[in-house]
Amino acid sequence: DTEVTQTPKHLVMGMTNKKSLKCEQHMGHRAMYWYKQKAKKPPELMFVYSYEKLSINESVPSRFSPECPNSSLLNLHLHALQPEDSALYLCASSHNVFRIATNEKLFFGSGTQLSVL
Amino acid sequence: DQQVKQNSPSLSVQEGRISILNCDYTNSMFDYFLWYKKYPAEGPTFLISISSIKDKNEDGRFTVFLNKSAKHLSLHIVPSQPGDSAVYFCAASARSGSARQLTFGSGTQLTVLP
Repeated sequence: DTEVTQTPKHLVMGMTNKKSLKCEQHMGHRAMYWYKQKAKKPPELMFVYSYEKLSINESVPSRFSPECPNSSLLNLHLHALQPEDSALYLCASSHNVFRIATNEKLFFGSGTQLSVL
Repeated sequence: DQQVKQNSPSLSVQEGRISILNCDYTNSMFDYFLWYKKYPAEGPTFLISISSIKDKNEDGRFTVFLNKSAKHLSLHIVPSQPGDSAVYFCAASARSGSARQLTFGSGTQLTVLP
């Protein structure tokens, strides 16, 4: 199993809603990531979890709240979002955040396309 | 300020010919470079990588070249196939504190014409 599974694939929410994005991997990876990608822009790192602990927070507004319940799951809780937060949210995983090897790479999910009205 | 730049947003190539995708970077701390390929409605998938201690890495039809002095890398696809049509992202990795991070370029849409 080399998949990173993200749900839902599409989400439309109002500015007062609370919703959650979910991500799951069963590759035994100990690092998991949230990226945000706007149209025609590169993916931008939001959060990194290493061994279920938040390792990096790229100055993301508090209306985005990540959670890593266990080594296979990563959630992103959304509350009071703005229309400019509409984007593709990508989850990724890797063996670990320290690894420097010829096969170091991230495995990405298909993303959740989020629209905030 | 973008640290990884892909200056060509799109490229069209005839099937069977060579596709050359270019990428420039500014951060001299980058020591590992990767190419990802993305189809619509899918997440990026890893294609090929190169360490800064090398100047070339080859995997089947895909070859990545690294010119450290010019801070430039390129991806060659030969021969190009229609199934190669996708957005290609260049990414660079550097150690940042306790973790490594990837910085992506803005992508190049490759279209291989039959």
